[in-house]
Parts: sequence; structure tokens; C-alpha cells
Amino acid sequence: DTAVSQTPKYLVTQMGNDKSIKCEQNLGHDTMYWYKQDSKKFLKIMFSYNNKELIINETVPNRFSPKSPDKAHLNLHINSLELGDSAVYFCASGGHSGNTIYFGEGSWLTVV
Amino acid sequence: GENVEQHPSTLSVQEGDSAVIKCTYSDSASNYFPWYKQELGKRPQLIIDIRSNVGEKKDQRIAVTLNKTAKHFSLHITETQPEDSAVYFCAASPYTGGGNKLTFGTGTQLKVEL
Repeated sequence: DTAVSQTPKYLVTQMGNDKSIKCEQNLGHDTMYWYKQDSKKFLKIMFSYNNKELIINETVPNRFSPKSPDKAHLNLHINSLELGDSAVYFCASGGHSGNTIYFGEGSWLTVV
Repeated sequence: GENVEQHPSTLSVQEGDSAVIKCTYSDSASNYFPWYKQELGKRPQLIIDIRSNVGEKKDQRIAVTLNKTAKHFSLHITETQPEDSAVYFCAASPYTGGGNKLTFGTGTQLKVEL
């Protein structure tokens, strides 16, 4: 009964491929997020959805496209993968501004 | 946008000593300041948070202080134990009308030595 679950946990793929990471939360939160953690451990927000509506879209290449079919799911699709996309991608969910954000276990993406 | 600076980047203490990690933020609109602990290969987990209407908050061995005027906030861990060893991140977020837009500090690797 993991609160925020994401799949796959590990993903190794070649440059140029397209891949997706799926995320689901069972906390009843309205807001979901994607964060990227690079090799230096720096955590940076990529996207945020509130009730299926995109509300935060940081300066992320348009090869990255989030999709939220409902407020419990937020998937991340990445086109034409590049070496620099290698990172850990964390899905997260939370309530309104000022409330706790809970992270998923992370998806380790390696582009070779 | 918000910019959060965190110091030190590494901190080594003896078991039982105290550890202090400091952060500064730039956006005076920020009003929510969580601290996350991340063990190797694991997810960041919230350990304590503070909101701008409070100056200090304590939870057992962990305390956080906030100085809104100076735009500083700090994490204090007392009686450190080996299991406290991890990377600690501070973060700041303004009210956005929707979700949090957390800006994270660059992390502090805390090592508690026996």
C-alpha cells in the first residue's frame, strides 16, 4: 500500500529512444509533481499538476511531456532520449500550497 | 525565482554531538520551509517543516528555526546517532494558489561517526 508508487524503478535505454515513467498516488492529493535529481544530488522541480491541470512547467526541454489522466496519476514521457537525461526522476504528491509533499521511490534512468 | 543556498555541503560529527545545517532563501514570498532526509538510494523523506508564522519548531531531537527578516532557516539535530547519517535538503516554497513549488538547497552530507 505504497502511498506514491512509480514504475519502472530502473531503466536503461539507448540514446534516441522514447520512454515513459508512470506514477500513481493513493493519498487523495490534488497535486502531483515530477522532480529530477542529477548526479550531484541536486533536486529540481520539472512539472506540477493540480486536478489534472498543468500549473508548474519549469524550463524543461519539450522532449519531456507529462500527462495526467486523473488526479491520482501523473506520467512522464520522454522523447529522443539524450545522455544528459540520465538522472533519478521522482514523482511526488501533496495537498495545497504549504502542505507536505511525499516522494515516490524514484526511477533511475540511464541513457547509454 | 526563488534561490536557496545551503551550508555546509558536508558535515562530520561524533556520535552524541549536535549538528546544525543552515539555509538562506531569496524570495520574501516564500512561506513554507520543509527539511528532507535522503538516505543512499532512497527517496527524500520529510523530517520536519515550518511555516512563516512560526519562528521555531521542535520534534524530539530535531528542531528548525526560521528568521524571516534575515531569510534564514536552520536545522538542528541533537544527540546525533549513526542512523542520522544521510543527505539533508532544505527547501522553500511560496504560496502558488495550487501546489508547492519547492526550491531545494544543494544538500548537506551528514556523517555521524562512532
